[in-house]
Amino acid sequence: DVKVTQSSRYLVKRTGEKVFLECVQDMDHENMFWYRQDPGLGLRLIYFSYDVKMKEKGDIPEGYSVSREKKERFSLILESASTNQTSMYLCASSTRLYNAYEQYFGPGTRLTVT
Amino acid sequence: AQSVTQLDSQVPVFEEAPVELRCNYSSSVSVYLFWYVQYPNQGLQLLLKYLSGSTLVESINGFEAEFNKSQTSFHLRKPSVHISDTAEYFCAVSDYAGKSTFGDGTTLTVKP
Repeated sequence: DVKVTQSSRYLVKRTGEKVFLECVQDMDHENMFWYRQDPGLGLRLIYFSYDVKMKEKGDIPEGYSVSREKKERFSLILESASTNQTSMYLCASSTRLYNAYEQYFGPGTRLTVT
Repeated sequence: AQSVTQLDSQVPVFEEAPVELRCNYSSSVSVYLFWYVQYPNQGLQLLLKYLSGSTLVESINGFEAEFNKSQTSFHLRKPSVHISDTAEYFCAVSDYAGKSTFGDGTTLTVKP
């Protein structure tokens, strides 16, 4: 059974702080994704990665960066947190093998920036 | 480019009534289609998917969705809902590389 874990369920940070959100998957998936979820806006893709050390911008990359040094771990970095980055952050992974394509999600991190 | 439109943001129904959650998509290429469900304070989990073959796909808990290529729709239905079906439902399309685009979500509220 695929498991995607995120380092924190709830996080409170101050404006200007550097924030790290960690995501780990245990199924050797090639693809990993970071989304933010806001009421009425669905899921918006921030960054994704198809392989180790590879990253591509999603729809809303501004203010974020990512790191993927190992296949199982995908980190989201807020270089200087701002109040408009208060949101639910969801990590997901998927494989391109066996025509699977569905994404497996972590439980989410609810980040509040004050 | 691909996009997904979920036509209803809120759907309230009574227990044991039928329900349909509507989803339309647009894409310049063939896509894969998904419905995900999100229960309160949890991440999303796959409900069902269409990759190819039969246009009617079913989930283990009684939901079904039909892929209609001419109408570019993938509506989700259940003939009789339970209180436990109360959740937010997301329709999504995926390209061949696995990148997905999600709709804004439909909140299904089942009332006793």
